[in-house]
Amino acid sequence: GAGVSQSPSNKVTEKGKDVELRCDPISGHTALYWYRQRLGQGLEFLIYFQGNSAPDKSGLPSDRFSAERTGESVSTLTIQRTQQEDSAVYLCASSQGQAKPLFSPHSAQYFGPGTRLLVL
Amino acid sequence: AQSVTQPDIHITVSEGASLELRCNYSYGATPYLFWYVQSPGQGLQLLLKYFSGDTLVQGIKGFEAEFKRSQSSFNLRKPSVHWSDAAEYFCAAGGLAGNMLTFGGGTRLMVKP
Repeated sequence: GAGVSQSPSNKVTEKGKDVELRCDPISGHTALYWYRQRLGQGLEFLIYFQGNSAPDKSGLPSDRFSAERTGESVSTLTIQRTQQEDSAVYLCASSQGQAKPLFSPHSAQYFGPGTRLLVL
Repeated sequence: AQSVTQPDIHITVSEGASLELRCNYSYGATPYLFWYVQSPGQGLQLLLKYFSGDTLVQGIKGFEAEFKRSQSSFNLRKPSVHWSDAAEYFCAAGGLAGNMLTFGGGTRLMVKP
């Protein structure tokens, strides 16, 4: 079956511009996550959606970052007034079950290929 | 603080040799543990996961990992490495701090012919 897809695969933008990154989760997966991976580093959690619950935004680095998800479908991560330090690969993941309040065997996250963002 | 540590940033092994990648976690209880592999320009692929039960977990591509509670470790092993295994490997833990996975910094594996 289809995995997690993300678009665009690469994005080059100028400092100060807004960008939108898209994620299509695996069909039937109720949970969706956004992570950021800076060059040579591990992944940093950004935001988590679970069904119709309020999203967990605890990882968003600033108010320039926001994300939306409609139901259990597509999510969009928006970065406003981009800065050079926003350059990174933005990875989306989805999982079958919820991670909170109790992690379950269905909570394994499956990742998309990422969007490589370069801010000039 | 809750964390996942991969002590080795780079490892080089010869093709056909055995491999062990180290992962340690710091938490008051046993988290759920995962290993992911990331090939150049690719997303993360789940290799294996541990939730409970048998502490030796089998994964895809011939990988296995052993959970050792006493050492707070979840090391990844493969008995014979292939050139195609060259990639970056990430250990991750869930249940440490809310909803997200906490990732180690990654270990880059290089395979010599």
